[in-house]
Amino acid sequence: NAGVTQTPKFQVLKTGQSMTLQCAQDMNHNSMYWYRQDPGMGLRLIYYSASEGTTDKGEVPNGYNVSRLNKREFSLRLESAAPSQTSVYFCASRYPSGNEQFFGPGTRLTVL
Amino acid sequence: AQRVTQPEKLLSVFKGAPVELKCNYSYSGSPELFWYVQYSRQRLQLLLRHISRESIKGFTADLNKGETSFHLKKPFAQEEDSAMYYCALISGGTSYGKLTFGQGTILTVHP
Repeated sequence: NAGVTQTPKFQVLKTGQSMTLQCAQDMNHNSMYWYRQDPGMGLRLIYYSASEGTTDKGEVPNGYNVSRLNKREFSLRLESAAPSQTSVYFCASRYPSGNEQFFGPGTRLTVL
Repeated sequence: AQRVTQPEKLLSVFKGAPVELKCNYSYSGSPELFWYVQYSRQRLQLLLRHISRESIKGFTADLNKGETSFHLKKPFAQEEDSAMYYCALISGGTSYGKLTFGQGTILTVHP
């Protein structure tokens, strides 16, 4: 099992450009999450999907959109990137009945 | 709203010394707390959870509801313990399982 995978690993954008971060899991988990990690701020929840077909806002959703394409995949889209979105983005998934979250390796995004 | 506070951004100890990483929380319900660890160039992974009352890699953490704390302790630190540590609280029940993280503590264990 690959667990949780994310693409790309690194990305540099110019202000105003758009991009989609991809996340997939092969553990048959229902719930999936997107976090951003910033120095001194810890990880903050951007969006989550409790199950296929549903998505909800987290703590910092502004400037982002998500799509739960199917049970395996949960993508995060930046429509018009801003320097404040420079961060490391983590995707995670969770067992249906458990509370442990499994994390992907992260995507390091820089917006110039 | 729930909040998790880790007061120390950086913590340095020598190998063999005891280490304690502090975590305080605020939550109106019955909390479920975790410690996650991120070693250099590795992904974030669960270290331990309070409901399991287990010891992982020599680390323990006790939930103190009176002091609203969940400090992580190890009696004898090892160099391989150097990592970023996050305390986290879960909310939303098992349906949503949203984690609220603290700011993180970078632990450095010197030889």
